[in-house]
Amino acid sequence: AQKVTQAQTEISVVEKEDVTLDCVYETRDTTYYLFWYKQPPSGELVFLIRRNSFDEQNEISGRYSWNFQKSTSSFNFTITASQVVDSAVYFCALSLGGSQGNLIFGKGTKLSVKP
Amino acid sequence: DAGVIQSPRHEVTEMGQEVTLRCKPISGHDYLFWYRQTMMRGLELLIYFNNNVPIDDSGMPEDRFSAKMPNASFSTLKIQPSEPRDSAVYFCASSFPRGVFNEQFFGPGTRLTVL
Repeated sequence: AQKVTQAQTEISVVEKEDVTLDCVYETRDTTYYLFWYKQPPSGELVFLIRRNSFDEQNEISGRYSWNFQKSTSSFNFTITASQVVDSAVYFCALSLGGSQGNLIFGKGTKLSVKP
Repeated sequence: DAGVIQSPRHEVTEMGQEVTLRCKPISGHDYLFWYRQTMMRGLELLIYFNNNVPIDDSGMPEDRFSAKMPNASFSTLKIQPSEPRDSAVYFCASSFPRGVFNEQFFGPGTRLTVL
């Protein structure tokens, strides 16, 4: 069975702190895709990143970085120098190769960044 | 470019009434997805279409739910009759596969309250 676990339900940090959101996934497939989405208080879901199972290179985009480790089935997301605008619920999701619709979401981590 | 458009944004109805949610995908996208988000169950895929054809409706909770996609630019999700437990945020998303799997772009959601 496929599953995504985000063990951190809520995290609260002070502005400018670094914060890491954890994501652990389960699948027996060798081809799969991992995603992070952001859901700000306004409610929409915003795509952040997609990573396929054959590409374990870490990625950095501005203050955002992602660490993909197949050995531990983890795809963690780090925000450096957090800002109040980063306050949102962040979802990690898994999809199996060849299946366009089977996007399995974790329960989400609510991040609150205080000034 | 306009994103995924959903209407209405908010819907309040009474138990037993018919509810119709509407979605216009991004032009050129040939996959369309309907999701439901609740506190208890998180984000769940209800059904998805490819080229207007339903591919997987295994997530549709029961016969009270139905979805159609009469053309490439319009889809509806209907609940008849509605029940209080249907209260949730319903998201529509679309994607255009460039490779094996591509990110889904989400609409702003419809917040449904059934009294």
